[in-house]
Order: sequence, then structure tokens, then C-alpha cells
Amino acid sequence: QKEVEQDPGPLSVPEGAIVSLNCTYSNSAFQYFMWYRQYSRKGPELLMYTYSSGNKEDGRFTAQVDKSSKYISLFIRDSQPSDSATYLCAMRSNNAGGTSYGKLTFGQGTILTVHP
Amino acid sequence: NAGVTQTPKFQVLKTGQSMTLQCAQDMNHNSMYWYRQDPGMGLRLIYYSASEGTTDKGEVPNGYNVSRLNKREFSLRLESAAPSQTSVYFCASSGGQSYNEQFFGPGTRLTVL
Repeated sequence: QKEVEQDPGPLSVPEGAIVSLNCTYSNSAFQYFMWYRQYSRKGPELLMYTYSSGNKEDGRFTAQVDKSSKYISLFIRDSQPSDSATYLCAMRSNNAGGTSYGKLTFGQGTILTVHP
Repeated sequence: NAGVTQTPKFQVLKTGQSMTLQCAQDMNHNSMYWYRQDPGMGLRLIYYSASEGTTDKGEVPNGYNVSRLNKREFSLRLESAAPSQTSVYFCASSGGQSYNEQFFGPGTRLTVL
């Protein structure tokens, strides 16, 4: 079983819809949770990150972390065609000082298409 | 400020050939990473270098070697390419104020025939 599981989709929604993207994980040592966005034929870019449990909002995007359930979500409100991309969750432990500091574990990525 | 650069952008190899993928970053980051991305598999870590002078295996290191040439450059070598190594390869770096953000290069699309 993979440490991080993400439904690969694909997910197709109409413009203006609310999108929910999710990941589950098995490693209880993970403390930092990130969402990356990857446009076609480009490298991933960090969208937002959350430390430990809770919510974080940035414009139309909201990230949620439930450490008790080992479950993280990304919500996109009022989705736009420009949101069409692959969304990857990623996470890491707080291994300050260790040689693996900064090493991320990624989910498989969810392909999202928002059609006009 | 170019960020992370990778060369080449595309490459076609025959089985058994060797090649080196080059990566450089100009953000003074300590850590650098090599990933491969295959459909439905997400990003899988091949090797990483937490700091200049150190390298460690990731999830899928077999068939690859790396060199951290200096703080800026981290190369990935395929000694004897196999069709299973057909993939998109990404280099990334992180450091400075946050290790949560890895900065990725544009990728190298490699096909092994």
C-alpha cells in the first residue's frame, strides 16, 4: 500500500462548480501537507500548504487537514477553465536536522478539467 | 533569475545507451531532487541530495546514479537505458525559508526504444 493515496480521476466539472480533491495517508509522522498544481507539459508549482490539522484559505482555494482520519482535502470554489490541471497532494514529516529534511511524498495526482 | 533549469528537454535513446540529465538551480538551495513521472503514478523520487556532498536513494533508484557536482548542480545518469525508464524526469530544489516548497524544472521527456 502506498503511503499517500489520491484518486487519479479524471474529474470533469462545469465552470462555477465547487471541486473537492482528496488524499489519504498512512504515515502518522507527516506534519506538513501541500497541494501542487501542474499544468500540461509543465513542472508542478506549490499552490498552498498547511501545518498539522486545520483549515487554510487562499482566495477560491481552501485546504483542510484532518490528522485523526489521515485525510486531506482541497476545495476550489467558483472553478474556472484556468483551474484545469493536475493537482498533486504532498506531505512530509518534521525531521529537522535529518538528512531527509525536505523530502516530500506525493500522491498520484488528480486530473481536473473545468469546461465552460 | 532562471530558477531550476534542465537539459535536454527531449531525448530518444536506444536500449543500452547511456546519458546524463543535467539540472541547475540559482536560488542557493541546499536540497535537490530527481523525480520521474509516469501516468497514474504521480511523482516518484529517484534520488535526492539534502546538501552539497550528500546523496541518498529515493523510492525508485535502480538503474540510476546521481552526482551533486556543487551546490547549484545535480545530475542524473542512466548507465544502460531500458524501455522501463521511458518517462518524464523532473529536477527540483528546496531550502531557504521553507522546505515545503520545492521548485521544479520544466522536465525532460525521455523515450527509450
